[in-house]
Order: sequence, then structure tokens, then C-alpha cells
Amino acid sequence: QVQLVQSGAEVRKPGASVKVSCKASGYTFTNFYIHWVRQAPGQALEWMGWINPTSGGTNYAQKFRGRVTITRDTSISTAYMELSSLRPDDTAMYYCARDLGVNMIVSWFDPWGQGTLVTVSS
Amino acid sequence: QSVLTQPPSVSGAPGQRVTISCTGSDSNIGAPYHVHWYQQLPGTAPKLLIYGDNKRPSGVPDRFSGSRSGTSASLAITGLQAADEADYYCQSYDTSLSGSSVFGGGTKLTVL
Repeated sequence: QVQLVQSGAEVRKPGASVKVSCKASGYTFTNFYIHWVRQAPGQALEWMGWINPTSGGTNYAQKFRGRVTITRDTSISTAYMELSSLRPDDTAMYYCARDLGVNMIVSWFDPWGQGTLVTVSS
Repeated sequence: QSVLTQPPSVSGAPGQRVTISCTGSDSNIGAPYHVHWYQQLPGTAPKLLIYGDNKRPSGVPDRFSGSRSGTSASLAITGLQAADEADYYCQSYDTSLSGSSVFGGGTKLTVL
């Protein structure tokens, strides 16, 4: 079955970076974009960006530009999200999700990874 | 402050019908761009519930339906069940932020 499996929980100090992985299985990795979405404790979902696994092209939410980098390794069907200059308010669950839409404007997410909790604390 | 506005909470008794609204603007829902809905059960990842305004993925009961009109969209749930208690999020595309996906603030559904 189609599945996205993310790496485990991380704890970082303010100012550090974190890199979360998302391994896809059950489908051809290069056929669908991968998005990253985060959710702070008790808060709403927040879109961070996407990657085209075929070309490596990316698009990031304005809020995260300069701090987030999404990459992929097609040989192991894995996408990565790296967030730098971490602050305590970056503490959140980070999700990857496959894009099932027909283009970047008509874009919906299914399935989602199980989530990776990133805690930023001194 | 989310780009798409949802009521923080709604509630209903088992068997009843509830609706959850999602209000946007001319740069997203009103453009018009499609709206999609997700259900997030406590402690779990979101799950796709409705895509393309009103289409249900395989396995989603027909008790769930979606609609879009103007700058708003709605999710309706009929025959409310205890298992429906969850957070619900709408999602669309927005052109005002150099093109990006946007989510609503989420609505907590309580089954009384």
C-alpha cells in the first residue's frame, strides 16, 4: 500500500538545524510531488513547501524562505526537509504528504506521513 | 491568523447533520480555486476527506459531502457518529503569497 514513513522525533537547541526524512513506498516516487506541512501544539496546519521529485524543483512558503530546504534522493525514494536557525516557536509536528492533484493550483494531499515531532528548547 | 477562516468549533448530537464553513477571498476560493477537506482524529495525521470541492476518495462514507460557492466552501456531515469527533481543516490555493497552498484554522467537531 502507499505509505510515507518519517524519521523519529528530534530535539534541538535554538539556532540549530534539523533534517527530517520521509520515505515513500508503494508507488513510483517520481510521479508525485511531496509537500511538507507543520502543526504547532494545539494549532492549525501550516503549509511549508513542496518538491518535484523528478526535477528537484522546489517552492517554499514565503514565511519559511531562507530557512527551509527541501531535497530528495530518488535512489531511495526519500524526501527531506531541513529547517535552520531554529526557534522555540518552531516546536511542532512536521508532516510530509503526497500531492495527488493535477497541477500546483489543484493540489490535495494523500496520504500523509505519521509526523515527526521537532522540539526546540534550550 | 489563517488565510481561510473556519469556526473554531461545532457540535451536534448523534444522527444529526452539521456543517463546517470555510471562508476565503478572491485570491483563493473565489479565484476560483478548488477546496479540499481533511479529518484529523486526536493524535493522528490528517486524512483526506473531500477533494476538488465535492469528491470523496474511496472509502470515505457518503455521509460526508462538500460544496463551494463564491468565496466560501462547506463540509456537511450527516448521520453524525461518535467516531466523527475530530478536527476538520479546509485547504485551497492562494495567489497572494507568491502562490501557495493554504489551510483553514481548523474546526473541532464535538459529538454530544
